[in-house]
Amino acid sequence: AQSVAQPEDQVNVAEGNPLTVKCTYSVSGNPYLFWYVQYPNRGLQFLLKYITGDNLVKGSYGFEAEFNKSQTSFHLKKPSALVSDSALYFCAVRAVGGGATNKLIFGTGTLLAVQP
Amino acid sequence: NAGVTQTPKFQVLKTGQSMTLQCAQDMNHNSMYWYRQDPGMGLRLIYYSASEGTTDKGEVPNGYNVSRLNKREFSLRLESAAPSQTSVYFCASSEGGGVFELFFGSGTQLSVL
Repeated sequence: AQSVAQPEDQVNVAEGNPLTVKCTYSVSGNPYLFWYVQYPNRGLQFLLKYITGDNLVKGSYGFEAEFNKSQTSFHLKKPSALVSDSALYFCAVRAVGGGATNKLIFGTGTLLAVQP
Repeated sequence: NAGVTQTPKFQVLKTGQSMTLQCAQDMNHNSMYWYRQDPGMGLRLIYYSASEGTTDKGEVPNGYNVSRLNKREFSLRLESAAPSQTSVYFCASSEGGGVFELFFGSGTQLSVL
């Protein structure tokens, strides 16, 4: 069965410091990987995705993510955090082929808190 | 461009009551989805519609029904609400296929007493 794990419920970082939000996945086929962000009382917004190609993908608001097939990880990163980055971040995976269901599965979310 | 519009934004029901959550998208997307969001559980797929005229169960379909009324609209019905259905419900749409990202509505906060 396909699954996504976000091992940290919350990540705290000081403004200006680099941030990493971790995500690992388990799928039977090749993964399509996504990151979404949710601000308070809002729906989720798409940040970036990995489909194929370069393992480092760049997305909105200066975020990037690195796909690591051997570690089955897709960590979200930003070189310099802003207070406005404080939000709930979700990793998601869709498996393709290998008998997978092609449904998008979300992790449980990681709350990012950036202190001024 | 409104994107994905959900109504209502808030609703309080008594156990056993029924209601329908409405969702409409104006992006000409093929696929539409209903998710529920619960603390510590992330988002879980209730039902989805890969294209107009088709619907399929997701992870947690029990107690819900859906209707893909046309390409734009996808409704979620609770026939007999239960306290376990207290949640925030999100509708989403996408162009279809695994490559495309989802666009979400702003959510419906439902409380079942």
